[in-house]
Amino acid sequence: AQSVTQPDIHITVSEGASLELRCNYSYGATPYLFWYVQSPGQGLQLLLKYFSGDTLVQGIKGFEAEFKRSQSSFNLRKPSVHWSDAAEYFCAVNQETGGFKTIFGAGTRLFVKA
Amino acid sequence: NAGVTQTPKFQVLKTGQSMTLQCAQDMNHEYMSWYRQDPGMGLRLIHYSVGAGITDQGEVPNGYNVSRSTTEDFPLRLLSAAPSQTSVYFCASSYSQGPSLYEQYFGPGTRLTVT
Repeated sequence: AQSVTQPDIHITVSEGASLELRCNYSYGATPYLFWYVQSPGQGLQLLLKYFSGDTLVQGIKGFEAEFKRSQSSFNLRKPSVHWSDAAEYFCAVNQETGGFKTIFGAGTRLFVKA
Repeated sequence: NAGVTQTPKFQVLKTGQSMTLQCAQDMNHEYMSWYRQDPGMGLRLIHYSVGAGITDQGEVPNGYNVSRSTTEDFPLRLLSAAPSQTSVYFCASSYSQGPSLYEQYFGPGTRLTVT
């Protein structure tokens, strides 16, 4: 069965420091991969996605993610974190075949310290 | 566009009561889904629909029913509420084709407490 693992339950970074959030998935074929962000009390918003092609994808708010097939990973990065980036981040995977079903990771909560 | 709307925002039920969570979208999306969010567990798929008249089960469908009579609406019914169904429920929709394929738009959520 498909699964998505986000190894870090929470991460604290200083404002201006770089950020990397980890995501590993298990799926036989190339999946559709997503990162979503959830601010407190809000619904989720799409940051970026990978379907095919260039393995480094750019998203909104200065985020990027790199798909590494050999490591089954899709890590999210940002070069310089802002206090407004404090939120919960979810990695998700969607099957290309078999219909529309999305599996989410457990999430990583990001804290930003001044 | 209002996007994805959900009602109510908050609800308290007693064990055994039934209720319907409403979800509507005005983006003409074919795909719609219901998720529940519990601490430390991310979002888990309850039911989803790939078009009007077509629904299927997700990871945690027990205790919930759905129907999709129109493209716009996708209500979630709790048949007999249990404390284990205390959660935050999110509805989402997405396109079924094109460059935005599978990009999900989420509603603001419904916080449900079952006592």
